[in-house]
Amino acid sequence: DQQVKQNSPSLSVQEGRISILNCDYTNSMFDYFLWYKKYPAEGPTFLISISSIKDKNEDGRFTVFLNKSAKHLSLHIVPSQPGDSAVYFCAATDGNNNDMRFGAGTRLTVKP
Amino acid sequence: NAGVTQTPKFQVLKTGQSMTLQCAQDMNHEYMSWYRQDPGMGLRLIHYSVGAGITDQGEVPNGYNVSRSTTEDFPLRLLSAAPSQTSVYFCAVAGGAGDGELFFGEGSRLTVL
Repeated sequence: DQQVKQNSPSLSVQEGRISILNCDYTNSMFDYFLWYKKYPAEGPTFLISISSIKDKNEDGRFTVFLNKSAKHLSLHIVPSQPGDSAVYFCAATDGNNNDMRFGAGTRLTVKP
Repeated sequence: NAGVTQTPKFQVLKTGQSMTLQCAQDMNHEYMSWYRQDPGMGLRLIHYSVGAGITDQGEVPNGYNVSRSTTEDFPLRLLSAAPSQTSVYFCAVAGGAGDGELFFGEGSRLTVL
């Protein structure tokens, strides 16, 4: 059962515009959420995270929003840059690394 | 500083063959894990270890064995490879910040014919 879902396999945006990547989860025990970025032929790298006690976390151009009642989180990238083109994975955990679940990923393409 | 090193990067096997994917870390972290990445499935946890001498199963452990004799190394063994094990495998190490962040290796692409 996929407890973390990214329903958009791909997203294309123009450079300078906002990119919004969405993620839904089903397990109410998840209390920590992360976004990872992956370039081809490389391993995923950590991008940003949010605890369930918050509804927003910002780091430079990247902001993650969490809506616990809807079991939904989103990653906003503003402004988008061509170097942001990658696959983005949403992940969730119950505070225990032993059970980190990942979504299927969204491939973001930022066009110059 | 290498971080997390996986070998080999590419491997082709025939059905029934065995092999070991190697993972080594120089970050001195206790937690190590193996994931597989398949199209449309994201990353799925195979096995993990919270320290030397301790291993446990993840979401998709069947067909894989692991051991952890040192803090640095966490090999993943396929005893009798099957085409369903064709995938990209990632080793991951837990960060020290206690926030769930994982540090991944570059991946090992395995094809089973």
